[in-house]
Amino acid sequence: ETGVTQTPRHLVMGMTNKKSLKCEQHLGHNAMYWYKQSAKKPLELMFVYNFKEQTENNSVPSRFSPECPNSSHLFLHLHTLQPEDSALYLCASSQDSSLQLGEQFFGPGTRLTVL
Amino acid sequence: EDQVTQSPEALRLQEGESSSLNCSYTVSGLRGLFWYRQDPGKGPEFLFTLYSAGEEKEKERLKATLTKKESFLHITAPKPEDSATYLCAVRVTQGGSEKLVFGKGTKLTVNP
Repeated sequence: ETGVTQTPRHLVMGMTNKKSLKCEQHLGHNAMYWYKQSAKKPLELMFVYNFKEQTENNSVPSRFSPECPNSSHLFLHLHTLQPEDSALYLCASSQDSSLQLGEQFFGPGTRLTVL
Repeated sequence: EDQVTQSPEALRLQEGESSSLNCSYTVSGLRGLFWYRQDPGKGPEFLFTLYSAGEEKEKERLKATLTKKESFLHITAPKPEDSATYLCAVRVTQGGSEKLVFGKGTKLTVNP
């Protein structure tokens, strides 16, 4: 595997379900990010982890819970979501969160549908 | 408030018809401008980073330029495989941390 991978690629869940999104980067980077991409809207930054420490929580509702066990893996735990949470969830990584050493590289995303 | 505006929202070109995409920004201290390409069902793919006014970068049929208020992505003699959504983002400092602020993108369609 190379670059940034995300699983699953597609997810359909009910509002009472609990699910998790997984992201793995194979680039040796130290910073990882979760973004939400909705139709007709710009990418919205959700969370930032730098060297496994959360450095940014962009006023995201508590029904989204991130976890970063090491610099290569990032999870987004989902529970009691709303239909408006349906979107493409993108994971990205960079050398570090200051971006001074390079750009962000994105995974293919997880297409989430909340019924 | 830091803002990034891309125009047009959508652009249709014939193969070989050159054009430009615009990204204008209002930020308090630009620390880099990024161009990405996004194909349907995929994550954004990095194209260019520009740091200072007057800087230019090229890759195949694409050329990115930067002024103090905007950036252009010039597409010369496009091919159908250049069809994608092109995203612009600026790196800013907000609340003591650095982040990317994205525009909504320009959807480019190149017809054969």
